[in-house]
Amino acid sequence: DTGVSQDPRHKITKRGQNVTFRCDPISEHNRLYWYRQTLGQGPEFLTYFQNEAQLEKSRLLSDRFSAERPKGSFSTLEIQRTEQGDSAMYLCASSLAQGADRGAFFGQGTRLTVV
Amino acid sequence: AQSVTQPDIHITVSEGASLELRCNYSYGATPYLFWYVQSPGQGLQLLLKYFSGDTLVQGIKGFEAEFKRSQSSFNLRKPSVHWSDAAEYFCAVGQYGNKLVFGAGTILRVKS
Repeated sequence: DTGVSQDPRHKITKRGQNVTFRCDPISEHNRLYWYRQTLGQGPEFLTYFQNEAQLEKSRLLSDRFSAERPKGSFSTLEIQRTEQGDSAMYLCASSLAQGADRGAFFGQGTRLTVV
Repeated sequence: AQSVTQPDIHITVSEGASLELRCNYSYGATPYLFWYVQSPGQGLQLLLKYFSGDTLVQGIKGFEAEFKRSQSSFNLRKPSVHWSDAAEYFCAVGQYGNKLVFGAGTILRVKS
């Protein structure tokens, strides 16, 4: 078990560019979550998947954001036309749907800086 | 709506001293409660969790937390702090298997 893996760890992009992040969950976990964390705040929920189905999206997830989990394994989070306000740490977590009482396990995060 | 309040933004304790980090939650049903720790630039590590049963739960790294329904609290404690415990601590509430709502965090500094 190698834990939740996120790539890249850091991304600097110019305003208006598109960026894509990848998350590889713990292999047997069928739930995958995306959170955003800004400086001095706790993580805020963005969206989650059970297998390949996206079950819930936060109102924080504007139409510039899209997440996919095409085969129920890894997931991608894309931000189109980035804005400076998108600068944050993007965290991915995974858990089992049954037995989720063990809690969600987080990756190291992707830190996005929009200049 | 679910919410979590961590009243202390920063706490400084001496190495070897005891620690208590406060967490109050608002939740309409029986809560699932968690404490996570985050080192600078890193992801979150699960310290402990509460779902039901014994209200005093033990976690990793010598941490424990006590669920008090009457006070809507889930405070984190450690009897003797080590310098390596310096980090940011987050309390979270959630439904079974679903999204978590986090507090704003408490930054712990440890004096040698």
